[in-house]
Amino acid sequence: DGGITQSPKYLFRKEGQNVTLSCEQNLNHDAMYWYRQDPGQGLRLIYYSQIVNDFQKGDIAEGYSVSREKKESFPLTVTSAQKNPTAFYLCASSIGMRDEQFFGPGTRLTVL
Amino acid sequence: RKEVEQDPGPFNVPEGATVAFNCTYSNSASQSFFWYRQDCRKEPKLLMSVYSSGNEDGRFTAQLNRASQYISLLIRDSKLSDSATYLCVVNTGNQFYFGTGTSLTVIP
Repeated sequence: DGGITQSPKYLFRKEGQNVTLSCEQNLNHDAMYWYRQDPGQGLRLIYYSQIVNDFQKGDIAEGYSVSREKKESFPLTVTSAQKNPTAFYLCASSIGMRDEQFFGPGTRLTVL
Repeated sequence: RKEVEQDPGPFNVPEGATVAFNCTYSNSASQSFFWYRQDCRKEPKLLMSVYSSGNEDGRFTAQLNRASQYISLLIRDSKLSDSATYLCVVNTGNQFYFGTGTSLTVIP
């Protein structure tokens, strides 16, 4: 079955630790995205990638980093520099930058 | 000003009712438009794309008004399973913008 997977589903982190969230897709999509969703707020774009080995900052990139070494994979690292990392993180992919996005099931990160 | 604005609701409607949501966008150069559905603590799922000519999928009808810069979603004959948050999404060609969502609860 084609789709997007994210792991882990739940993640707990101590303050000061970096943590990496996984996102994999087998839809053969070129574009991939990372969003963060906080209660009562819309999705906010962290980073996006239009093609392998290229990525761009979104609206709230500070404290985050990404890589796009393979078409299928777009991992997100939440660094200790991110001031308020507790949130629901969603990965998405699309054929191109104007096409509908498909989302993974998300990762809930809680900083203790 | 936000790129995309939606009435957050909540909308509480009885089963069988017709309900409509509107969404306005600020960038007149926006190129593609979508409605997504998001259940509690789950990921958004594509409900339908919105075309200039309007489009219908069963009980769901989406309309786009470029002159007034809004899109709408009409749900006819509401079912209990329609209870969710509906997200309006606008694409400007190089970025997607999400509304904060409109909450719908269909009551038996």
